[in-house]
Amino acid sequence: ETGVTQTPRHLVMGMTNKKSLKCEQHLGHNAMYWYKQSAKKPLELMFVYSLEERVENNSVPSRFSPECPNSSHLFLHLHTLQPEDSALYLCASSQERTPKGEQYFGPGTRLTVT
Amino acid sequence: AQSVSQHNHHVILSEAASLELGCNYSYGGTVNLFWYVQYPGQHLQLLLKYFSGDPLVKGIKGFEAEFIKSKFSFNLRKPSVQWSDTAEYFCASERWGKFYFGSGTKLNVKP
Repeated sequence: ETGVTQTPRHLVMGMTNKKSLKCEQHLGHNAMYWYKQSAKKPLELMFVYSLEERVENNSVPSRFSPECPNSSHLFLHLHTLQPEDSALYLCASSQERTPKGEQYFGPGTRLTVT
Repeated sequence: AQSVSQHNHHVILSEAASLELGCNYSYGGTVNLFWYVQYPGQHLQLLLKYFSGDPLVKGIKGFEAEFIKSKFSFNLRKPSVQWSDTAEYFCASERWGKFYFGSGTKLNVKP
């Protein structure tokens, strides 16, 4: 148990669907992240929330919309995705401090866009 | 832009062989470095980390890594691997709150 949970673990959706991925951390951290993990590619940082404010948005298409209602929860809302968006989406959390602490990862949501 | 390179994409070893996985980062200033491991079907978890001080860092399960500033490298080592070390290994760097990951190295240890 990592202290970071993600639901659902698997998701199949059509290109016209709207769905949401959920992440919850039970570690008392104040920073949360969304990553995309595709085969044979580096983990791609998508969004960073620090103290519930979005501090990083790495040129992610608008069909991905994050939401961080509080420091323990993070959502990724999905809308009109493309087949190339199929990947493992990982959530992570860390504690904002100096030096920066390591990230704790959830198990991921395996997304397939048909 | 900062980046992390892992040169070995797939490594196959027999049990008891020695392991060294390469990792190079691109930024020359102060940077924090990490190795993460992802066992089959499990989440990414921290193996070891380097912030400052002794450049030889010891992590869990007998792994260690050496920070060589002149080579921009942070290679992961283990003197004798076990079948249970079969996993994917990711090198990562962090600077100014931004994390950068390598593409990963899949290690397959044959019993």
